[in-house]
Amino acid sequence: GAVVSQHPSWVICKSGTSVKIECRSLDFQATTMFWYRQFPKQSLMLMATSNEGSKATYEQGVEKDKFLINHASLTLSTLTVTSAHPEDSSFYICSARDQGTYEQYFGPGTRLTVT
Amino acid sequence: AQSVTQLDSQVPVFEEAPVELRCNYSSSVSVYLFWYVQYPNQGLQLLLKYLSGSTLVESINGFEAEFNKSQTSFHLRKPSVHISDTAEYFCAVSEATGNQFYFGTGTSLTVIP
Repeated sequence: GAVVSQHPSWVICKSGTSVKIECRSLDFQATTMFWYRQFPKQSLMLMATSNEGSKATYEQGVEKDKFLINHASLTLSTLTVTSAHPEDSSFYICSARDQGTYEQYFGPGTRLTVT
Repeated sequence: AQSVTQLDSQVPVFEEAPVELRCNYSSSVSVYLFWYVQYPNQGLQLLLKYLSGSTLVESINGFEAEFNKSQTSFHLRKPSVHISDTAEYFCAVSEATGNQFYFGTGTSLTVIP
């Protein structure tokens, strides 16, 4: 089946620094990828839709200058959390959509802890 | 916008007992429906989905869900649960012509030995 990977799986950074999270579709091409954020014991909240070769579409309330998304190829999207603060600590999950089956394949997630 | 309601945040059930996890959605257009399972510190895994056709869909590990258009529901059921079924379960909806997934708040299923 289709596989989506994320790197790193766990990252700890200091407040004020930037962190880049990679999302890769390993065996299929994804023109559209999604970035979600999940707080403990809560559901996934869509942050933005990443489209290959164009600007990402951000959900209301998500700061696009803080959460930079780049979808430079059909198999890679990156999320950069700039000037991270402790409140950015969360579980970030990406997904890639198969245009044929309409199914979203989820990455394993990246746990970000900002100290 | 769509909304998905999972009425039960926590469901404890004894091993080998049946279980139903409820999911209701609000939509006036055609939708696709999904159930995902999440184990601790892991991403989401697709359990089953309804796109079209038969309203009863099944997974390989004994779960099933039935799409009820009149009640706008997609409840998940299993006749006999195992300890390994302990996890968080999310219901999700996507418009048939749309792009975005809308997730419910999740139901934590705990199977008691």
